[in-house]
Amino acid sequence: DQQVKQNSPSLSVQEGRISILNCDYTNSMFDYFLWYKKYPAEGPTFLISISSIKDKNEDGRFTVFLNKSAKHLSLHIVPSQPGDSAVYFCAASATNTGNQFYFGTGTSLTVIP
Amino acid sequence: EPEVTQTPSHQVTQMGQEVILRCVPISNHLYFYWYRQILGQKVEFLVSFYNNEISEKSEIFDDQFSVERPDGSNFTLKIRSTKLEDSAMYFCASGSTRQINEKLFFGSGTQLSVL
Repeated sequence: DQQVKQNSPSLSVQEGRISILNCDYTNSMFDYFLWYKKYPAEGPTFLISISSIKDKNEDGRFTVFLNKSAKHLSLHIVPSQPGDSAVYFCAASATNTGNQFYFGTGTSLTVIP
Repeated sequence: EPEVTQTPSHQVTQMGQEVILRCVPISNHLYFYWYRQILGQKVEFLVSFYNNEISEKSEIFDDQFSVERPDGSNFTLKIRSTKLEDSAMYFCASGSTRQINEKLFFGSGTQLSVL
């Protein structure tokens, strides 16, 4: 069962432009969402999170938007930098599952200098 | 910054053999997890561990899998009789609380190849 979906396996963006990574989920019980970033040969590292009581959370160049009615969230990176090139995973959790996160399959972002 | 360390980085084994994947979580963390990622697929939850016992486990975590915290610093995942489909990148993670807004810290993973 794929409760969290990232339908774009890859995305290429010019340096300085906006990167938009999308994520959809099916479980309406999910109330906390995170984005992780993963470089080759490294484990995922936390990037930004949002709880279901908010519809936007911003941290520097990274903003996450949550649309609960559409069960959709997106990560915006602006301006994109070459160092942002990585695989981005969306993850979701429900209060009753503690810290069991459900991950999407990831989107590989390439920022072209 | 403190980090989760995993050894070995790569493990090759024959089908049917036992493997032990090792992890050293961040020292003041109390909650420990194993996730895995089969090539090209999503990162999947295997098991969570707290207070020397399993808190939650997924359907993947069957009788062939076990976890242990043998000495207060290491956290191990054992696969008793490996199958070809166990080939994956295995990630250990730790967290300091079980709060819903607690991010997890992941290790760099062990790539397990079962031949």
